[in-house]
Amino acid sequence: SQTIHQWPATLVQPVGSPLSLECTVEGTSNPNLYWYRQAAGRGLQLLFYSVGIGQISSEVPQNLSASRPQDRQFILSSKKLLLSDSGFYLCAWSASGGKNIQYFGAGTRLSVL
Amino acid sequence: AQKITQTQPGMFVQEKEAVTLDCTYDTSDPSYGLFWYKQPSSGEMIFLIYQGSYDQQNATEGRYSLNFQKARKSANLVISASQLGDSAMYFCAMRDLSGGYQKVTFGIGTKLQVIP
Repeated sequence: SQTIHQWPATLVQPVGSPLSLECTVEGTSNPNLYWYRQAAGRGLQLLFYSVGIGQISSEVPQNLSASRPQDRQFILSSKKLLLSDSGFYLCAWSASGGKNIQYFGAGTRLSVL
Repeated sequence: AQKITQTQPGMFVQEKEAVTLDCTYDTSDPSYGLFWYKQPSSGEMIFLIYQGSYDQQNATEGRYSLNFQKARKSANLVISASQLGDSAMYFCAMRDLSGGYQKVTFGIGTKLQVIP
């Protein structure tokens, strides 16, 4: 069966520091991969999605970037964090084509101080 | 216009009773999909149920059913026999063609509290 791993679960970082959040998927090949951010008490905002290795699309201009160095690995990065980058970050995958049901990781709570 | 509208910020239900969470959507794409997700306090988004726009019957998954009314553009989630573990945020979402690819848009959620 397919599983998705996301880490770390919690992160506290100072303003101006770099960021790297990692997500890996097991049990499937060529998944679509997604990074979302959820502000407190809000819905999900799509940040990036990827349909293949090295293929990244950005939904919202921001201080963040994403990379997909391997088929089942998706990384969210920042060179210098801002206070506004605080939030709950969720990685998700879906099978290529079909219903596009997205399955989520456990999430990372990022606090930028 | 909002693509997904959830008008109930919070709902209460007595344990063992049924509850309906409302969701309306807006799209001009004839082929779309509707989803419901549950988010407990731990934060993980858990997929519950899916309904395709061409599906003739309402989707059901155990105690969850989706009341799909296409003409009204509504996709309400019905939870039967509520349990304390059902207390969580519930998000309605829709997949449609947006900006050249199949995109999923989420509503702002409804907080459900099950009362013993």
